[in-house]
This record gives sequence, C-alpha cells and structure tokens, in this order.
Amino acid sequence: QSALTQPASVSGSPGQSISISCTGTSSDVGSHNLVSWYQQHPGKAPQLMIYMDTKRPSGVSNRFSGSKSGDTASLTISGLQVEDEADYYCCSYGGSNTLVFGGGTKLTVL
Amino acid sequence: QVHLVESGGNVVQPGRSLRLSCVASGFTFSIHAMHWVRQAPGKGLEWVAVTSSDGSNRQYADSVKGRFTISRDNSKKTLYLQMNSLRVEDTAVYHCARSPSGYEWYGMDVWGQGTTVTVSS
Repeated sequence: QSALTQPASVSGSPGQSISISCTGTSSDVGSHNLVSWYQQHPGKAPQLMIYMDTKRPSGVSNRFSGSKSGDTASLTISGLQVEDEADYYCCSYGGSNTLVFGGGTKLTVL
Repeated sequence: QVHLVESGGNVVQPGRSLRLSCVASGFTFSIHAMHWVRQAPGKGLEWVAVTSSDGSNRQYADSVKGRFTISRDNSKKTLYLQMNSLRVEDTAVYHCARSPSGYEWYGMDVWGQGTTVTVSS
C-alpha cells in the first residue's frame, strides 16, 4: 500500500490551465478505472472532483477534468480562479481490497 | 440535505480504546458502502477502512488491521469505528465518507467534517 506520487506544489495565474499528476503502478492506477480526485480547502472536508478516472460529479465545474495514461493519472484545471487555491489529492483502488491516496499537491493561484 | 456527522473523538493514552460514530441523514444509508479516512496534523489523507452496504464485507489498511473494526447499523443510519490498542501515530482527524453506490471502490462523494483523535501519554 505505497502512496501514489504527486508533486508537492504547483502554481498558476488566474485564467491559466494547470495539471497535477498522480503516478502509481500497474497494480493500482494502471490496472483499474478507479482514480478519484479531491479538493480540500484549509480546515474543510475534502470534496470529490473526479471519479472513475474521468467522470465529474454533478455540481463540479467543467473547468475540472481528469485523464489517465498508463500508470499516471492527471487532474487538469482550466481557467484558474482564485478559489481553486487548495490542496488536491488523488486516490486509486490499490488492489487487494484497499484504497491508496497520493501525498497531496498544494495549488497556489498567483 | 445529505449530511454525515462524526463524534467520539477524544484524547486517550497509548494502548487504550475509543469508538467513533458517524450519523447519516438525507439519503438512503443502507445502499451505500461507507469509509473511514484519516488525516494526521499537517499531513495528507489516509484511507482507513471500508464496509459494504450491508456490513458483510469489511476491508482495512495494513496500518490498522487487527486493531480497528468498522461496523454499521443500518436501522440507526450509523457507521462506527472501534479503535483498540491505539498508538501515537493514530493521532488524526477521522472522517467518515460515503461511496457513491454500493460498490466500495469508486471513491467518496460525501464527507463528514471529522472528529479529532489524539493519542498521547
């Protein structure tokens, strides 16, 4: 159950697009369509942004999108807004009936 | 409105036990798998355990296996986490979270605000 690998931080300016990567292995990210992404503002509970690699829950802005290639999943945020500044976590089915999270990425909107 | 409210967090000594509860409202609790996820101070999210919608299937992270037990009472719309042999490294905010369906591995679409467990001598 090793944690998925995410960059510690990313940054962008309002209106720009950024991507956050999430690298696992062929046993987790690469073997199932079960990657989800969460946004967490300080002191708040996480919020689901993407599930099943690419699906967006109702109510989540279409500026958020998910993709995957091999063992690496990505979250892309287009048209960055100040309120997007938060921590982002990926999560994947880890095999052997477990879930595994990434270490988290702090997004700064400059 | 869909809500999850946790309770039961406290300050406890290493080796002691604690039971957390999570009360659900605003949705049909009995058809959803349910998770516990924790977050140590200043750290990231860590999955702890999941139970199937009827409670018959329970799975755990290696870090808590054999010490923690997840359970549910669908008649009371309540999820539980029995935590035994607590360690300092179990100190965290514990969130309960709902799976979007009865399938355990889609992720979590509704989260509670969390309850704080501090393990310290």
